Amino acid sequence: AAGVIQSPRHLIKEKRETATLKCYPIPRHDTVYWYQQGPGQDPQFLISFYEKMQSDKGSIPDRFSAQQFSDYHSELNMSSLELGDSALYFCASRATGTSEETQYFGPGTRLLVL
Amino acid sequence: AQTVTQSQPEMSVQEAETVTLSCTYDTSESNYYLFWYKQPPSRQMILVIRQEAYKQQNATENRFSVNFQKAAKSFSLKISDSQLGDTAMYFCALLNSGGSNYKLTFGKGTLLTVNP
Repeated sequence: AAGVIQSPRHLIKEKRETATLKCYPIPRHDTVYWYQQGPGQDPQFLISFYEKMQSDKGSIPDRFSAQQFSDYHSELNMSSLELGDSALYFCASRATGTSEETQYFGPGTRLLVL
Repeated sequence: AQTVTQSQPEMSVQEAETVTLSCTYDTSESNYYLFWYKQPPSRQMILVIRQEAYKQQNATENRFSVNFQKAAKSFSLKISDSQLGDTAMYFCALLNSGGSNYKLTFGKGTLLTVNP
């Protein structure tokens, strides 16, 4: 079965640079979630989109922005990167209108800020 | 606010034995879901099992089962016949489905090691 695709899988950036993370949800999933997992931490919710509209916002820095496109893929844009942004970034997708309410996670993008 | 607490940072079990991971939660919502996710060393987040709060019957998936005690707000995971491949970090997670907010709230995780 098709899974959530994230690219790139690994990314190394310098401080103050920008990064763009991409997420391709499972086919027919219309909701996308972004989570950030720091070293030794649990995943923290950043932001979510339903039908290309932002549906909820968590602890996402103002330096970050995200959007969902007409094909339902989503991009997380991160600017003025800081050392503390080094983390594993997960995208998860869900199909609304089902009774499952289950979010399926992609493999994550490992971001290292030097 | 919703919270999830996993009181066991680390646990170990011998191969083929049974182990139970604990999780308690707090939410003011009446409609919610509970999940256990597994994160092996590859750091992929893998769904293990799901429980709908309105269902009294405990969920079961092969060797994995839960003990859902709604009144006590407890949601433990039992792994039977433990295998070496079960070695991973296990996260308990809560999702409130009563409103428009469907974000997952995770516990801090329990690192499970299965010993040969």
